[in-house]
Amino acid sequence: EADIYQTPRYLVIGTGKKITLECSQTMGHDKMYWYQQDPGMELHLIHYSYGVNSTEKGDLSSESTVSRIRTEHFPLTLESARPSHTSQYLCASSDAPGQYFGPGTRLTVT
Amino acid sequence: QQQVKQSPQSLIVQKGGIPIINCAYENTAFDYFPWYQQFPGKGPALLIAIRPDVSEKKEGRFTISFNKSAKQFSLHIMDSQPGDSATYFCAASKGSGAQKLVFGQGTRLTINP
Repeated sequence: EADIYQTPRYLVIGTGKKITLECSQTMGHDKMYWYQQDPGMELHLIHYSYGVNSTEKGDLSSESTVSRIRTEHFPLTLESARPSHTSQYLCASSDAPGQYFGPGTRLTVT
Repeated sequence: QQQVKQSPQSLIVQKGGIPIINCAYENTAFDYFPWYQQFPGKGPALLIAIRPDVSEKKEGRFTISFNKSAKQFSLHIMDSQPGDSATYFCAASKGSGAQKLVFGQGTRLTINP
């Protein structure tokens, strides 16, 4: 079973604040992903990484940024949160071919 | 452009029935087709997956049927139980490297007792 962790699970924050969503995995997977999902809706890929120091933007444009300094860690940062950023953010990792998801962070920007 | 189209959007079945969820894809380069199950407040969990060299795959009560010529695949849940009530997503990817998944829109399944 995959071990992938996301913190915080829930975050309510005011407009203009900087936030970082944490994602860590213990499987040593090279590939990691961030998805954005509105409740009950489809998942949209916003960032992915093939390994350390490798990051790419996904299919859905996002104002967030990511970094991959360590294999197990793939944080997502929003420099200035806005209400339009309210959503669920899901992190995933894979070796091949399936992806394993974390529990998600539910972000609400007021 | 929606590369993977999923239907129905919602489905209600009685316990013991066989819900069927369908997906159609456009890109013939796709070669990996997983299904994910998601409960409220949780991340999606990989349920079962198929490659286009087989027409059917079974794992427990879950079966994928795959029609390469029609570019369609479907999920069947045998002897459905109320605990199977969840949102189901099909997905597709191509190549052995990137595994960038393209997801369908999701189906909210309710199994009534």
